[in-house]
Amino acid sequence: DAKTTQPNSMESNEEEPVHLPCNHSTISGTDYIHWYRQLPSQGPEYVIHGLTSNVNNRMASLAIAEDRKSSTLILHRATLRDAAVYYCILRDEGYGGSQGNLIFGKGTKLSVKP
Amino acid sequence: DTAVSQTPKYLVTQMGNDKSIKCEQNLGHDTMYWYKQDSKKFLKIMFSYNNKELIINETVPNRFSPKSPDKAHLNLHINSLELGDSAVYFCASSPTGPNEKLFFGSGTQLSVL
Repeated sequence: DAKTTQPNSMESNEEEPVHLPCNHSTISGTDYIHWYRQLPSQGPEYVIHGLTSNVNNRMASLAIAEDRKSSTLILHRATLRDAAVYYCILRDEGYGGSQGNLIFGKGTKLSVKP
Repeated sequence: DTAVSQTPKYLVTQMGNDKSIKCEQNLGHDTMYWYKQDSKKFLKIMFSYNNKELIINETVPNRFSPKSPDKAHLNLHINSLELGDSAVYFCASSPTGPNEKLFFGSGTQLSVL
């Protein structure tokens, strides 16, 4: 079962920043925080991941709370193409059979208005 | 070139039939997966293969049998299809190692009538 909690849906205006929250109060010390998104009629797509420090890449930024019990995915300027379901997933760093077991929750459906 | 490709994209069949979904990746990854997304949009892992060997086999009926002829391919064969098998099936691949990101195919929509 998913160990994260996300709002079911969020709305944003085009060109504005979007902050997608995720709660993971039972996170363990070896859990990485991963974000994937799924655009309509497509497979999931990796967005970003981190452990303790904030992370930036060309798609988004990930802000991780100091106690690691929550995180926020930040899209700096939402576009219509960012409309998707965003999944926050905890993944153990352990190597082995469980490494591929991404456990997807319900995610947050992001709508972007022009 | 498509990194992870699945065929067919759509599959409509009758109950009781046997069908296969093919998956190929050209990324040189050692690990491949099958995920199922049901009508409520929940994504669940079914199988994981590393270098052609089964690593993960979640609670999936024996009617589902993955086959990995080489590490670039992971096909899914389904026997005696049931109505409840209707879903979108996604293939994915990743390099081997902790926290490597997964690359997903575009999915195969299976409809069992």
